Amino acid sequence: QKEVEQDPGPLSVPEGAIVSLNCTYSNSAFQYFMWYRQYSRKGPELLMYTYSSGNKEDGRFTAQVDKSSKYISLFIRDSQPSDSATYLCAMSVSGGYQKVTFGIGTKLQVIP
Amino acid sequence: NAGVTQTPKFRILKIGQSMTLQCAQDMNHNYMYWYRQDPGMGLKLIYYSVGAGITDKGEVPNGYNVSRSTTEDFPLRLELAAPSQTSVYFCASSTVGVSQPQHFGDGTRLSIL
Repeated sequence: QKEVEQDPGPLSVPEGAIVSLNCTYSNSAFQYFMWYRQYSRKGPELLMYTYSSGNKEDGRFTAQVDKSSKYISLFIRDSQPSDSATYLCAMSVSGGYQKVTFGIGTKLQVIP
Repeated sequence: NAGVTQTPKFRILKIGQSMTLQCAQDMNHNYMYWYRQDPGMGLKLIYYSVGAGITDKGEVPNGYNVSRSTTEDFPLRLELAAPSQTSVYFCASSTVGVSQPQHFGDGTRLSIL
């Protein structure tokens, strides 16, 4: 079993839709949870960062962590064509600057 | 505002050749990392460094070497290139702190033929 599981997609949605991206994990020691966005032929860039359980909102993006279920989600409201990218979940025991385990990424396409 | 710079962007090597992938950061970050990204496999850590003169192996170090003589630079050396090393290589850096994320370069796309 992989430490972090993520559906690779692709996921295609119409512009304006609410997008839900998810990851599950097996290591209960993970405490720091991140979402990175990666555009084609570019490096990943940090989108959201949360510690432990709960929700965090930033504009159109909401990150949720449910440690009891070992499940994290990223919601994108009012999705835009510019959101078309691959979204990588990432997790760490000791913080984002320490050893980070990445999911394989979900490819999202928002259709105008 | 350069961040993490990787060179070259693309390279084709023949089996058995050697090359060095360059990585430089201008954010004065202590930590630097090398990853490879393969389809369906996600990002795998090759080597990392916590400061000049200090390096350590990651998850998939075989076939690679690194050095860190300055804070800014962290080159990755491939000796005797093999087709299994065909991949996209990303360098990243971060500063110390639990809330500090890794900042990535735009990658080097390497093909071994």
